[in-house]
Amino acid sequence: RKEVEQDPGPFNVPEGATVAFNCTYSNSASQSFFWYRQDCRKEPKLLMSVYSSGNEDGRFTAQLNRASQYISLLIRDSKLSDSATYLCVVSTIQGAQKLVFGQGTRLTINP
Amino acid sequence: DARVTQTPRHKVTEMGQEVTMRCQPILGHNTVFWYRQTMMQGLELLAYFRNRAPLDDSGMPKDRFSAEMPDATLATLKIQPSEPRDSAVYFCASGLGGPGDSPLHFGNGTRLTVT
Repeated sequence: RKEVEQDPGPFNVPEGATVAFNCTYSNSASQSFFWYRQDCRKEPKLLMSVYSSGNEDGRFTAQLNRASQYISLLIRDSKLSDSATYLCVVSTIQGAQKLVFGQGTRLTINP
Repeated sequence: DARVTQTPRHKVTEMGQEVTMRCQPILGHNTVFWYRQTMMQGLELLAYFRNRAPLDDSGMPKDRFSAEMPDATLATLKIQPSEPRDSAVYFCASGLGGPGDSPLHFGNGTRLTVT
């Protein structure tokens, strides 16, 4: 079983729709959680950290469920520029930043 | 705006040749990572360093791959001899280790093709 698993998609949704991704992780000792975004043929970039209480950044909302060991990302009012691959990332060692990446979920927003 | 710099951007080589990829982390960052990305496997951690010391290289094929940090401004990843299955995009990333687990900053990557 992979340490971090995501639905690879692809997700194709119309502009303005709400879309949600889930991600599960296997190591219950994982401490830090992130969503990264990767555009085609570009490097991954941090989208947002995921906090235990859940957090929001504009149209993006991230949630963490430690009991079930899953992380979610919700995108509201999706824009064409949201088209990208979204990577779920888990840190397995606090402080040492050993980040394990999921395979990514590919999202395409259609006009 | 500080960036992680990787060279070369693209590399095409024949099987059996040595390949060296270089990375200049962001000044002040004390953690450096090497990742490999393929369509099939996604992003795989090859090695990482903290304060120039190798912390984990368990993801790296030891017989042909080696990673070093000769100084705080340079990290290298070498493949000798290279094989077609090594074809991938190799990313270097740097960050600040510590309780806060600050985000990683990735370079543009080296796209390696081994024929």
